[in-house]
Amino acid sequence: GESVGLHLPTLSVQEGDNSIINCAYSNSASDYFIWYKQESGKGPQFIIDIRSNMDKRQGQRVTVLLNKTVKHLSLQIAATQPGDSAVYFCAEKADYQLIWGAGTKLIIKP
Amino acid sequence: NAGVTQTPKFQVLKTGQSMTLQCAQDMNHEYMSWYRQDPGMGLRLIHYSVGAGITDQGEVPNGYNVSRSTTEDFPLRLLSAAPSQTSVYFCASSYSRDRGYEQYFGPGTRLTVT
Repeated sequence: GESVGLHLPTLSVQEGDNSIINCAYSNSASDYFIWYKQESGKGPQFIIDIRSNMDKRQGQRVTVLLNKTVKHLSLQIAATQPGDSAVYFCAEKADYQLIWGAGTKLIIKP
Repeated sequence: NAGVTQTPKFQVLKTGQSMTLQCAQDMNHEYMSWYRQDPGMGLRLIHYSVGAGITDQGEVPNGYNVSRSTTEDFPLRLLSAAPSQTSVYFCASSYSRDRGYEQYFGPGTRLTVT
C-alpha cells in the first residue's frame, strides 16, 4: 500500500545549528504534504504545509522542500533551540485523510 | 476558546468492556477525526467526519464506532475492548474538509486494556 516513511528515527543537533529532517513518500497523487511537531505528552501541532505543485515554502525559522522527482520531503529548522526538541512527523493528504510517517525524534545538544 | 477537549485523560478497561471516549471542539470546525498512536509510531486514522451527520472509516476502523450528531461533538465508542486497543487516542478537528490537513489536536486519552 501507499506509505510515508522517514529516513532517520533520531536526530541529534547542537543548539544554534540548523536541523534537517527528511521524509520519503510513495503516493504521487497526494496534493498536500505536511509537517507536524509533537512534544512529549501532547497532541501533534501543525507546523507547515506545502502543496504538491510547489518546491519550497518558508515559514518562521522553518523551510519545507519538496522533491517530486525522488518523492522526498524535508523540513529545515534554522538556529535550532531547546524548544524545538520533539518528534517531527511528515504526513501526506490523500482525499480527506492524512497518512502519517513514523516520526523523527529531534534532540538538542547544549 | 478551549480548542479540542478530550475526556478522560486516562482509562483502564478489562477485555470485553465497552466505553466511549469523548471529544468536543468549540471552533465550529467542520472536519473531525480520531487517531490512535502506538509507542514509537505515527498516527493511524480510525474514523473521520466531514460534517454533522457524516462519518467515514479510516485506516483502522475495526472495533470502533463513531457518530456526529452535532458539529461540536465526535465520540468514539469501543464496542468490546481488546488488549490490541491499548494505545493513546487523539481527536482532531480542522476548519473544513478541504483543509483537513491542518488539524488541531486534543491532549489525548491514554487507554490500557488488560
